[in-house]
Amino acid sequence: EVQLVESGGGLVQPGRSLKLSCAASGFTFNNYGMAWVCQAPTKGLEWVASISTGGGDTYYRDSVKGRFTISRDNAKNTLYLQMDSLRSEDTATYYCARLIAAISNRFVLDAWGQGASVTVSS
Amino acid sequence: DIQMTQSPPSLSASLGDKVTITCQASQNINKYIAWYQQKPGKAPRQLIRYTSSLVSGTPSRFSGSGSGRDYSFSISNVESEDMASYYCLQYDNLWTFGGGTKLEMK
Repeated sequence: EVQLVESGGGLVQPGRSLKLSCAASGFTFNNYGMAWVCQAPTKGLEWVASISTGGGDTYYRDSVKGRFTISRDNAKNTLYLQMDSLRSEDTATYYCARLIAAISNRFVLDAWGQGASVTVSS
Repeated sequence: DIQMTQSPPSLSASLGDKVTITCQASQNINKYIAWYQQKPGKAPRQLIRYTSSLVSGTPSRFSGSGSGRDYSFSISNVESEDMASYYCLQYDNLWTFGGGTKLEMK
């Protein structure tokens, strides 16, 4: 059974940093790209960042470029999201999700974790 | 960046109704659209990928269609367990979600 378990969320002051982790199990982690998706309270889903199988290719939404860093440790089957210079608008639940290969080198989100809550407030 | 306009934002239905949600992309997304269901406090669950391919475990009352910029998602014979929020996702160029549709009981 595919399992993705996020950790590291919490309350942090604006301008500070937080690092989320996502422990993967039930599948061969290094065969899959991975992503982070966020959802602000009572709002919709927003893609945040993605990373390729080996970690060499990363992609970010414009609002987090230069502040967030996605990375992975395939030896530990773990995905990370380093969040720096946090803002109040980053307050959200952050989901870790697996990317599966679709047709013609496109990748779609399939399995999801249960989410980690991040609150940015003074 | 590709924008996804999803409508309606909310929908009321009676048991047994057919409901349809639409998503319009800001450019051709070549049928690379998926649909997700999310219940309160839960993670999203993928229902459909590549416009109309049902993911394993998705009931046959769910369906999807479309091409180019315009796509739709339907639930026929709505059941009580279908009350949830639904999101489209384009994955042709990076990833963009639609704004979501909340399906409620009439």
